[in-house]
Amino acid sequence: EIVLTQSPGTLSLSPGERATLSCRASQRVSSSSLAWYQQKPGQAPRLLIYGASSRATGIPDRLSGSGSGTDFTLTISRLEPEDFAVYYCQQYGSSPYTFGQGTKLEI
Amino acid sequence: EVQLLESGGGLVQPGGSLRLSCAASGFTFNIYAISWVRQAPGKGLEWVSSISAGGVNTYYADSVKGRFTISRDNSQNTLYLQMSSLRAEDTALYYCAKDWGRKYGSGFFDYWGQGTLVTVSS
Repeated sequence: EIVLTQSPGTLSLSPGERATLSCRASQRVSSSSLAWYQQKPGQAPRLLIYGASSRATGIPDRLSGSGSGTDFTLTISRLEPEDFAVYYCQQYGSSPYTFGQGTKLEI
Repeated sequence: EVQLLESGGGLVQPGGSLRLSCAASGFTFNIYAISWVRQAPGKGLEWVSSISAGGVNTYYADSVKGRFTISRDNSQNTLYLQMSSLRAEDTALYYCAKDWGRKYGSGFFDYWGQGTLVTVSS
């Protein structure tokens, strides 16, 4: 099973700043099969990025994903108030699909 | 508009059984794989099980294998999760999640329901 470790656990920033969230895999993630989700309190997760760098429908271009192999990054270039939430990475290159433990992005 | 509506959650004693349902609408249900993902209170996400578009291929996390059964009724646009031998650690919000990919799925999820809460406690 591929274990995903996200860092930092909590990231405290202000609107307008740049956020960099990390996701490290215990083994190589095949075919860059990595997704990022955003979850706000009381809501279901929302798909942001798939294939490590492809934005899902309706996701603004200030969010971007990068990385390959075992190291992946989600970058939010200019934080908006609606970006403060918990972010999860997920690998789907091998079974079982696994999620990271999450990064909380707080104001 | 894609909608996924879970139901069937509730309080059940350890060792008991429960069947969850997920009613889907707004997309062609029978051409997409679909999954269950759970989230324990205050915790992260855990993939539970997936089923291919036709219902023939099923996949399970080791933590539920042999106890949970995923199925689907494409004539009713409904996904099911039959849960038995329930344990306290199965307590979670169970989400139905549509796979982005068709047929056998891609493994990531573009639409999620709001979840149904399962509590296993005596």
